[in-house]
Amino acid sequence: AQSVTQLGSHVSVSEGALVLLRCNYSSSVPPYLFWYVQYPNQGLQLLLKYTTGATLVKGINGFEAEFKKSETSFHLTKPSAHMSDAAEYFCAVSGGGSQGNLIFGKGTKLSVKP
Amino acid sequence: DGGITQSPKYLFRKEGQNVTLSCEQNLNHDAMYWYRQDPGQGLRLIYYSQIVNDFQKGDIAEGYSVSREKKESFPLTVTSAQKNPTAFYLCASSALRGSSYNEQFFGPGTRLTVL
Repeated sequence: AQSVTQLGSHVSVSEGALVLLRCNYSSSVPPYLFWYVQYPNQGLQLLLKYTTGATLVKGINGFEAEFKKSETSFHLTKPSAHMSDAAEYFCAVSGGGSQGNLIFGKGTKLSVKP
Repeated sequence: DGGITQSPKYLFRKEGQNVTLSCEQNLNHDAMYWYRQDPGQGLRLIYYSQIVNDFQKGDIAEGYSVSREKKESFPLTVTSAQKNPTAFYLCASSALRGSSYNEQFFGPGTRLTVL
């Protein structure tokens, strides 16, 4: 079984500051890990994903995440926040195999102050 | 342009009425999903389907029904048995093989308000 915990339902940063959104997972099989972003009243858009291979994954809009198996973590970072990054971010895990279902965290709402 | 469409964007219904939310995809994906989103609760899986004419209950299927008569379409009916139907509903699809394996693509959502 898989589960996801996102630490902090709200994170606030200043424009230009580092963005760090935390995600820890549990999985009984090698995980596939995803970060999605959601703007108000819209669907989810994939930021990045880890399946196999390189543990540092780069995504769209300057975001990246590092898969750390020993820490069961997949934290999302961006060196310099922009006002347009204000949104809700969801971490998700899948166990792979034929099922394909994603288990989502409860989300972290990112605010960016000018 | 490939993608997922959901209609309508906003839907208002009176209590006790059934309502059907539309979801169509032209990505040739095998799997389709319905999620419910409430503030602070993330996404909760209602139903999913991996093949035409077959579907499985998710975590919160009570009060909902689906059909999968065509690969492209996966409509969701919110029945009068659903005690608290007001929510944002998201449809998604995914390929079950290939380079985008397990990645889910989302529609724009339907906001249902029951008066």
